[in-house]
Amino acid sequence: EAEVAQSPRYKITEKSQAVAFWCDPISGHATLYWYRQILGQGPELLVQFQDESVVDDSQLPKDRFSAERLKGVDSTLKIQPAELGDSAMYLCASKQGLNTEAFFGQGTRLTVV
Amino acid sequence: KQEVTQIPAALSVPEGENLVLNCSFTDSAIYNLQWFRQDPGKGLTSLLLIQSSQREQTSGRLNASLDKSSGRSTLYIAASQPGDSATYLCAVISSGAQKLVFGQGTRLTINP
Repeated sequence: EAEVAQSPRYKITEKSQAVAFWCDPISGHATLYWYRQILGQGPELLVQFQDESVVDDSQLPKDRFSAERLKGVDSTLKIQPAELGDSAMYLCASKQGLNTEAFFGQGTRLTVV
Repeated sequence: KQEVTQIPAALSVPEGENLVLNCSFTDSAIYNLQWFRQDPGKGLTSLLLIQSSQREQTSGRLNASLDKSSGRSTLYIAASQPGDSATYLCAVISSGAQKLVFGQGTRLTINP
């Protein structure tokens, strides 16, 4: 069964360091999302891609976060420099079309120390 | 701005009971609503997707209903089992946008 792949599963980094997360969506899914989930809360959107184009990055802290999906397939989310408040689960999801299910990866648990 | 609320935040019931989880949203102009399950430290697993034109959707022991006009959805779990223990999240996709807006989730514990 097709899955959304994310790596790494866990990441510990020191504050002020750079960190990057990778996501490979289900093949053929044009829409890709990055969400951040703080423990005990619902996920919140960071950035949404349609193919290689950014559709919504209104909640992305652009002074330190960047995201790309150069060929409209896999995607990378980067944080530089990391801050203590960035500790959270980072989730990637993809969907094929407007009225289809969204599927999530297993997430990357980031701890900033 | 779409806001999604899930009540209760936590629920604990004995095994075998039927239960209902609630989800409400402020803007009724939605494309669809999706229910997810999340186990501790894991990603989200899709349970059911209800299109805006549908009233309900069923999968095994799960039944989700949607009342778009009142901004409400319910997830009914029949004959609950300890393995159903998890956090359940609902998310809506509003007309004009394709992002999923999530509630805070209901943490469900089924006691053997």
